[in-house]
Amino acid sequence: NAGVTQTPKFRVLKTGQSMTLLCAQDMNHEYMYWYRQDPGMGLRLIHYSVGEGTTAKGEVPDGYNVSRLKKQNFLLGLESAAPSQTSVYFCASSFPGLSPQHFGDGTRLSIL
Amino acid sequence: AQSVTQLDSQVPVFEEAPVELRCNYSSSVSVYLFWYVQYPNQGLQLLLKYLSGSTLVKGINGFEAEFNKSQTSFHLRKPSVHISDTAEYFCAVSEILTGGGNKLTFGTGTQLKVEL
Repeated sequence: NAGVTQTPKFRVLKTGQSMTLLCAQDMNHEYMYWYRQDPGMGLRLIHYSVGEGTTAKGEVPDGYNVSRLKKQNFLLGLESAAPSQTSVYFCASSFPGLSPQHFGDGTRLSIL
Repeated sequence: AQSVTQLDSQVPVFEEAPVELRCNYSSSVSVYLFWYVQYPNQGLQLLLKYLSGSTLVKGINGFEAEFNKSQTSFHLRKPSVHISDTAEYFCAVSEILTGGGNKLTFGTGTQLKVEL
C-alpha cells in the first residue's frame, strides 16, 4: 500500500550544489505534480506532467527542472541550489480530470 | 486567476466542541473545491471535495463542508472534535489546465489545535 513515495526524506545542501528528488507512484496515475510548501504560503505548484515524456511549468518553475521518463516516476532537479529553495517539497499524482491528488510525505530540503 | 483565502491561521478549540474553519474562494469559472488535512511530518490527505450537486458535502472523520456560491465560501465544520483532529487544514480550488492536468491553488492553511 505504498501510494506516493518520495526520496530522500531529508537533505541538506550547500549553495550551488545540485540534486534530484525522486517521486514514485504505484497507482497507475497519469498525472504527477511537484509542489513546494513554505510557511504561511500554502503549497505552490512547481511543475507537472500529464503523461510519460511530458512536462509543463507550474506557478513557480524557475530554478527547477523535471523529467518523466517512466509513467510511475517524476524527478525534480535543482541544478544550482539557492537558499531560497529551502522548503518542503511534495509530490502528488492523480487520474485525469478532477480526480483527487494523492500526496507523498514530503522531502525537507535545507540549502545553506 | 483563482485564489483561496483561509481567514484564520490558527483555531484553538476544546475537545468535543464544534469547530468551523473558514474558506473563501475567488474564481471566474466553474468552481471545484477541496479540503485537505496535513498531520505533522506527513503529506496531505483528502478530507472532502465539491465538484457539483448537493452543496453540503460530507467527508472522512466526521467533517463536512457547505458550498455557498453567493458568499463564495466553502467552510469546513465538525460538530465534535477529537484530540486526533489536531492538524493543519488546507482549502483548495481546482482548475483544469490547458492540455490536461488539474491545478490546485491552496490557501495558506489553518492550524487546528484541539485541547483537553
